[in-house]
Amino acid sequence: SSELTQDPAVSVALGQTVRITCQGDSLRNYYANWYQQKPGQAPVLVIYAIHNRPSGIPDRFSGSSSGNTASLTISGAQAEDEADYFCNSWDSSGDHLVFGGGTKLTVL
Amino acid sequence: QVQLQESGPGLVKPSETLSLTCTVSGDSISNYYWSWIRQPPGKGLEWIGYIYYTGSTNYNPSLKSRVTISVDTSKNQFSLKVSSVTAADTAVYYCARVSRDYDSSGYYYYYFDYWGQGTLVTVSS
Repeated sequence: SSELTQDPAVSVALGQTVRITCQGDSLRNYYANWYQQKPGQAPVLVIYAIHNRPSGIPDRFSGSSSGNTASLTISGAQAEDEADYFCNSWDSSGDHLVFGGGTKLTVL
Repeated sequence: QVQLQESGPGLVKPSETLSLTCTVSGDSISNYYWSWIRQPPGKGLEWIGYIYYTGSTNYNPSLKSRVTISVDTSKNQFSLKVSSVTAADTAVYYCARVSRDYDSSGYYYYYFDYWGQGTLVTVSS
């Protein structure tokens, strides 16, 4: 099992706001990053260092962190946001990188 | 625009060594970390390890005994070897660039900002 825990599946109505969470003790000390992966494609970085968006990522994607939980929020979810989302950070020792198990987002 | 391309055999026999190469274009391999990540069919992402252009490495403890990552700066490439493979090593293997930056407190953070398209490696006799 991963040191970063994500809910396996989340759903959201089109145009509504959804929060995807990632929990782990290491998140108290290390920043989280978020990746979006659509079927048959490589992951794409959508948020890094908690809340920074790479160029080209829509501003409906935002990130935050509190205690041992990092969150990815999609405000006004679109059909094209339906994908798997993975968080990543360091393990509890701070020596090795890890990924969360992933959350499958369904846009209804 | 940075591009990464994985190459190598798509089929490897059990107990043999899996070998993949990632060719980087659009940027120098120097001054960055470079990583391998894999994804078994229908499952999540697993970090394998990373290498700095100087050759310094860091591996996933669960794979460390079987994994070697190397870099060839003259070819702008880095490579992965996984020895003694089993069916559990069947996965899509991705190479990725690891960017490192620091915050206002001087704290370093890392993220995977460019990925290859991935290559499926099947372990089967």
